[in-house]
Amino acid sequence: DQQVKQNSPSLSVQEGRISILNCDYTNSMFDYFLWYKKYPAEGPTFLISISSIKDKNEDGRFTVFLNKSAKHLSLHIVPSQPGDSAVYFCAASGIWGGEYGNKLVFGAGTILRVKS
Amino acid sequence: GAGVSQSPRYKVAKRGQDVALRCDPISGHVSLFWYQQALGQGPEFLTYFQNEAQLDKSGLPSDRFFAERPEGSVSTLKIQRTQQEDSAVYLCASSVKVFRTNTGELFFGEGSRLTVL
Repeated sequence: DQQVKQNSPSLSVQEGRISILNCDYTNSMFDYFLWYKKYPAEGPTFLISISSIKDKNEDGRFTVFLNKSAKHLSLHIVPSQPGDSAVYFCAASGIWGGEYGNKLVFGAGTILRVKS
Repeated sequence: GAGVSQSPRYKVAKRGQDVALRCDPISGHVSLFWYQQALGQGPEFLTYFQNEAQLDKSGLPSDRFFAERPEGSVSTLKIQRTQQEDSAVYLCASSVKVFRTNTGELFFGEGSRLTVL
């Protein structure tokens, strides 16, 4: 039973355009969400995060949006660059002391290809 | 070193063999995690250490899996009597503080790819 779902296995975008990666979750106990980026043969690296008390967090070209009522978050990359081509993982954690308070639950990932 | 270091990077084992995977976290990091990543999937939680204490091992798939961090720094994940379904990339991650007292950011190593024949 996947609690964090990334329903698009891959996405292809033209350089300079917007990339939108989506993530859905099912567990209402999740209260913190993160995006990680992974290049081949490397470990995932942290990209951006958002607390459930917010609906938007921005860091340079990267913005994460959270819709709690829909249990949905998205990562926007504007403008997209060829170096952004990687696998993007959505992850969630819960309140400290709860079942998911000391771990991240990951989605299966979305492969982003930015074409130049 | 500057990052999380894992060894070996690649390990091929015959079914039934025991394997040991090592993780050197970033110096001074309190929290250490092991994750298992199967092909085409996201990382799945195995276990969590806060210093030398193993606070959560709920993700270990069977009693063939054992992890330790005896001095609160280097950690070893041991898999006994390996089976083909154990084939995966094993990722180690560390965090500077107790998990969730900061942003929740984990620093991952490059992983150890285990192939069981």
